Amino acid sequence: QLQLQESGPGLVKPSETLSLTCTVSGGSISSSSYYWGWIRQPPGKGLEWIGSIYYSGSTYYNPSLKSRVTISVDTSKNQFSLKLSSVTAADTAVYYCARPRAGSSSFNWFDPWGQGTLVTVSS
Amino acid sequence: QSVLTQPPSVSAAPGQKVTISCSGSSSNIGNNYVSWYQQLPGTAPKLLIYENNKRPSGIPDRFSGSKSGTSATLGITGLQTGDEADYYCGTWDSSLSAHWVFGGGTKLTVL
Repeated sequence: QLQLQESGPGLVKPSETLSLTCTVSGGSISSSSYYWGWIRQPPGKGLEWIGSIYYSGSTYYNPSLKSRVTISVDTSKNQFSLKLSSVTAADTAVYYCARPRAGSSSFNWFDPWGQGTLVTVSS
Repeated sequence: QSVLTQPPSVSAAPGQKVTISCSGSSSNIGNNYVSWYQQLPGTAPKLLIYENNKRPSGIPDRFSGSKSGTSATLGITGLQTGDEADYYCGTWDSSLSAHWVFGGGTKLTVL
């Protein structure tokens, strides 16, 4: 059964870069037709898609975050990563990694999800 | 402000039925599949419905999904106290800057 687990610092200073890793177990990150993604949820608020990546490296980003986001994949470690630059308090959130299932020209749903990791932006 | 509009909250008694709406536009719900997610308190979201009306393995048939035009609906019958959660709809938005969008979420209270 495929499982995803987020890891990374729980505290990041304003203006610095947030870095998280998602480790995939129970399957290969290189399996064909699979994308991988990041979603976040500020405390007490709703879900926001950050972006997704194909195992070969093709990426899709939320237009509102695109200028600050980089998602990459490391097939040798069965991991994919998120970097969000120039963070502010507004980036404080629980960050989830999840697998989007893709159709011919869209993502159709997200399953499974990691348990999430809280990242606080504060000096 | 979310691209997809959901009621902030709904409530019903145990054993009753409830519906949660998700309203969008032709660039998202109107031309793409809708999925629904259940988020129990303090946990990660879980896929409940995919491709408008399909249930993943393990999801009871008390949960159902439908789509008509630019709106989608999640239905829950035989409400249980364990169904108290936040529910989110989501879909692809095929506008110029294509991206995934979620609804603002609906808090279900089982009275």
